[in-house]
Amino acid sequence: DTAVSQTPKYLVTQMGNDKSIKCEQNLGHDTMYWYKQDSKKFLKIMFSYNNKELIINETVPNRFSPKSPDKAHLNLHINSLELGDSAVYFCASSLTPTNTGELFFGEGSRLTVL
Amino acid sequence: EDQVTQSPEALRLQEGESSSLNCSYTVSGLRGLFWYRQDPGKGPEFLFTLYSAGEEKEKERLKATLTKKESFLHITAPKPEDSATYLCAVQAGETSGSRLTFGEGTQLTVNP
Repeated sequence: DTAVSQTPKYLVTQMGNDKSIKCEQNLGHDTMYWYKQDSKKFLKIMFSYNNKELIINETVPNRFSPKSPDKAHLNLHINSLELGDSAVYFCASSLTPTNTGELFFGEGSRLTVL
Repeated sequence: EDQVTQSPEALRLQEGESSSLNCSYTVSGLRGLFWYRQDPGKGPEFLFTLYSAGEEKEKERLKATLTKKESFLHITAPKPEDSATYLCAVQAGETSGSRLTFGEGTQLTVNP
């Protein structure tokens, strides 16, 4: 049974389109994250939610909007996609916001913008 | 700004050939240093947490150590299944909503 699952795994789309990535965790964790991994393999945090409340909002374009309907789900919506948005987006969770060192990651969603 | 630098970028070993990966960090108020393993097409998998200089953690063929400026991941007698990218990350700052800063990783290949 997958602990952190995200869909879709692959996403290919045209510039200017809007797309969403969904994430669910069944670990009972309070805190969820979105990380972006670029072509150089750097993982950078984008957002974090604790029990549906936004607690980390890094310098990310307004075109990216996270949404957490409950503490087990965290979705990412991206408007007006640009070439530079191509990357692998990872969802992750941790037990609490202070226990952020031990993260459980999903398998990633590879976004390709043409 | 917190910085994490890993070296080498890539490392090729023969099976059984021990070596070490390095993670140098610059951070204000280190709360923890973490090692992750990432296989191709997968998300990172947590390996170790180190909190203070002098601390060591072991798991099978891996041993992680921490000083005030860097951490080492020692791999003893590696096997081909140890091939992966190893990521180092640091946690610093405020107690609530702390974020991890990751290094670029070391891509390890172990040849049979």
